[in-house]
Amino acid sequence: EAGVVQSPRYKIIEKKQPVAFWCNPISGHNTLYWYLQNLGQGPELLIRYENEEAVDDSQLPKDRFSAERLKGVDSTLKIQPAELGDSAVYLCASSLGSYRDEQFFGPGTRLTVL
Amino acid sequence: DQQVKQNSPSLSVQEGRISILNCDYTNSMFDYFLWYKKYPAEGPTFLISISSIKDKNEDGRFTVFLNKSAKHLSLHIVPSQPGDSAVYFCAASGGGSGDKLTFGTGTRLAVRP
Repeated sequence: EAGVVQSPRYKIIEKKQPVAFWCNPISGHNTLYWYLQNLGQGPELLIRYENEEAVDDSQLPKDRFSAERLKGVDSTLKIQPAELGDSAVYLCASSLGSYRDEQFFGPGTRLTVL
Repeated sequence: DQQVKQNSPSLSVQEGRISILNCDYTNSMFDYFLWYKKYPAEGPTFLISISSIKDKNEDGRFTVFLNKSAKHLSLHIVPSQPGDSAVYFCAASGGGSGDKLTFGTGTRLAVRP
C-alpha cells in the first residue's frame, strides 16, 4: 500500500515569491493534516481536513497561507508571498478518522526561502 | 508556551542496553500520549501510545510509562539496537487543545554498536 505522497521534496525560492506544496494521502483516509516543522522543533499543526472541510485552521496564518482539499482526496498548501521565516519542513499526514487514529506522515517538503 | 517538553536533546546508548527517553507535559487535560520516531529525510512514524487510564503500555521492545501525578511519561527501549537511532518525538492530545496533537521538540537517540 502506498504511503502519503508529497511533492516536491525540496524547494528553493526567493522571498516574496509564491510556492505550493502537494499532498496525496493514503487511499481511504478521510482526515488530512498539514504540519509545519521548524529546525529543532516538533511538528505544529497548520490545518486539519475532514474530507473537504477544514475543521481546524486556527494555526494557519491566513494572510499568506491558504490550503484546499478539493474532492476530499489530495490537498495543496500555498504560501504567497513567502518570507524568510517560512523556511521549514512542511509535513502532510493522513488518518482514517480522528486524532486518536494513527497518523501516517509523508516525507515532507523542505522549503528554503532566500 | 511549550506544553510538551523533551528536555534532553540527545541521548547515546550502547547496543543491547536500555534507552530511556523522557517527556514532561504541563496541560493536565491531556489524556492521550504518543511516541513517534523519525529518520532523516522521512516523516515521523507512529511507535506506541498510551491512554491516561493506563500507566503502562508494552509493544515488543518498547514500553511507555505514564505518571499522571508528575505529568511525566517515558519510553523504554530494551534492548536497544543500532536501527533504533533516530529522533523520538513525544506528543499529547486532549482537553483544552481538543484532539490536536501537541509535539515535543524531540530527542535524538544514538545507539552505538
